[in-house]
Amino acid sequence: KNEVEQSPQNLTAQEGEFITINCSYSVGISALHWLQQHPGGGIVSLFMLSSGKKKHGRLIATINIQEKHSSLHITASHPRDSAVYICAVKTSGSRLTFGEGTQLTVNP
Amino acid sequence: DAMVIQNPRYQVTQFGKPVTLSCSQTLNHNVMYWYQQKSSQAPKLLFHYYDKDFNNEADTPDNFQSRRPNTSFCFLDIRSPGLGDAAMYLCATSRDIVYEQYFGPGTRLTVT
Repeated sequence: KNEVEQSPQNLTAQEGEFITINCSYSVGISALHWLQQHPGGGIVSLFMLSSGKKKHGRLIATINIQEKHSSLHITASHPRDSAVYICAVKTSGSRLTFGEGTQLTVNP
Repeated sequence: DAMVIQNPRYQVTQFGKPVTLSCSQTLNHNVMYWYQQKSSQAPKLLFHYYDKDFNNEADTPDNFQSRRPNTSFCFLDIRSPGLGDAAMYLCATSRDIVYEQYFGPGTRLTVT
């Protein structure tokens, strides 16, 4: 069993839909990252969370430390949001443990 | 703008021919990381520098080395690339270990 699990693995939505990507982890963490990776591209850090909720524009990230669960929400989705979204948790030291990613496709 | 820069974005090398990938940062961060990401897989940490202190991951092959001549630059050297080393190589930085990591655009390495 992976220490970080994301669901769904693949998600297809229509433009304008509200999207939720989930991340569950089984280890103690100091922080959780949500990352975005476009095809053939580098990784962009969207959020780093250790508690509560953060919002950047149409993106919202929440974390429940007791339940070891985080969600990434995208409101009013757009085709340019199509990318792989990766959940990564910081455990001890410098190590980030990555989930396998969620491939999001938003159709016009 | 402050950023993490990787050069080149695409690198082709021959089997067994040494290759060096470059990362620079204008963030003045203490920590620089190198990750390897193979197709459809999660990034894998190879090593990181905390200032001048080099920290190697236990399962990083000896074929991979790194240099950090100053705060701004960090290099990844692959001494004898094999076909299995073809991947995206990502550089990241953070102010300190506990802080958020900022990723560069990556260098896609092809080994022929």
